[in-house]
Amino acid sequence: GAGVSQSPSNKVTEKGKDVELRCDPISGHTALYWYRQSLGQGLEFLIYFQGNSAPDKSGLPSDRFSAERTGGSVSTLTIQRTQQEDSAVYLCASSLGRGGAVGGELFFGEGSRLTVL
Amino acid sequence: LAKTTQPISMDSYEGQEVNITCSHNNIATNDYITWYQQFPSQGPRFIIQGYKTKVTNEVASLFIPADRKSSTLSLPRVSLSDTAVYYCLVGDYAGGYNKLIFGAGTRLAVHP
Repeated sequence: GAGVSQSPSNKVTEKGKDVELRCDPISGHTALYWYRQSLGQGLEFLIYFQGNSAPDKSGLPSDRFSAERTGGSVSTLTIQRTQQEDSAVYLCASSLGRGGAVGGELFFGEGSRLTVL
Repeated sequence: LAKTTQPISMDSYEGQEVNITCSHNNIATNDYITWYQQFPSQGPRFIIQGYKTKVTNEVASLFIPADRKSSTLSLPRVSLSDTAVYYCLVGDYAGGYNKLIFGAGTRLAVHP
């Protein structure tokens, strides 16, 4: 497809389990973001990939969270030893440009809704 | 932390024009100002982007004064379907990266 694809769309897991969330960005987009959105809240920045540069991990809430982006394309967000407070919608977005520059329009996926029991 | 400040919420009625102002006092010289709209259970979607003066598209207008320290999103003749959260974004250069961080946004409620 032409848009950003995320999987799974829904994930229910038990506390303490590891989960992996996948994002397939728009082809050719060099920038990829992961955000987290809890119910009724704004988007919380998690991590930012730009081309082949080292990612900006400043938004990751703890060392249980990690992400990688292979070949400048697909990204996987991994949450280890999940906790109930990790329950949220995890949104992935990609863009052609950098940050606030022209062409930096973000295209979002539908999100992965994570529920930790 | 987001580099922008917006009202937390606004109320309007169908058919009225709505103006949402965003402050971005530390906007970088090269940065554009971008607005997004988010409906419940969906990711944000792009509305409009501008650098200075006025930009208009089929959905909205964006007014940016000469000093670029603020911008105003104008939605003409809103309808109930315009009820959403609106976010204003500029680049965030913390840590040497140029990335986009969302603030809390403005919750717009349009009433019949």
